[in-house]
Amino acid sequence: QVVLTQSPSASASLGASVKLTCTLSSGHRNYAIAWHQQQPEKGPRFLMKLNSDGSHTKGDGIPDRFSGSSSGAERYLTISSLQSEDEGDYYCQTWGTGIWLFGGGTRLTVL
Amino acid sequence: QVQLVESGGDVVQPGRSLRLSCAASRFTFSDYGMHWVRQAPGKGLEWVAIIWYDGSDEYYADFVKGRFTISRDNSKNTVYLQMNSLRVEDTAVYYCARGGQAGAFDIWGQGTMVTVSS
Repeated sequence: QVVLTQSPSASASLGASVKLTCTLSSGHRNYAIAWHQQQPEKGPRFLMKLNSDGSHTKGDGIPDRFSGSSSGAERYLTISSLQSEDEGDYYCQTWGTGIWLFGGGTRLTVL
Repeated sequence: QVQLVESGGDVVQPGRSLRLSCAASRFTFSDYGMHWVRQAPGKGLEWVAIIWYDGSDEYYADFVKGRFTISRDNSKNTVYLQMNSLRVEDTAVYYCARGGQAGAFDIWGQGTMVTVSS
């Protein structure tokens, strides 16, 4: 069964860049994932679908500051030119036959 | 713009039932699978159930199998979650989400709160 692992927290300064990581469990390195953002006290928002080859398709209205990449079992979300509204929780999500699941989420603090 | 609006959340006692609704607008509802996802207070996101675009199939997370039923009415652009035998641990915000590219959830609702408490 596929499992997604994320670091619980990350921080970076206003205007800087940050790279968040989502790791797929052994034997599932070819899986695509999705990244979702959840700002404080709000519902989630779809950011992008990210394939194993690093190609990605962003949701409507997602700024160019958000990008995705892949390497082996790792899936990355890079946010550049950090803004205060980027603070919140970031979840990766994947799917298999009859199951959909999330990583535990990374709480991003913008300093 | 494309929108999902949940309703039906409430405070209920353990063992009771509740039905949630999610109304979709500004997209062809009958073309998409629909999901329910929940988030307990202070916790992460947890997938609950999916129903196929035409209602022909459903899947559930193990912790709700036999208690929750997902259904849809494509004539009303609405997906439902019937929750029976509710437990304290079912307390959460319940979100509906559209099943977009492959298995990614590409549109989310704002959520509805379900509190199970005696």
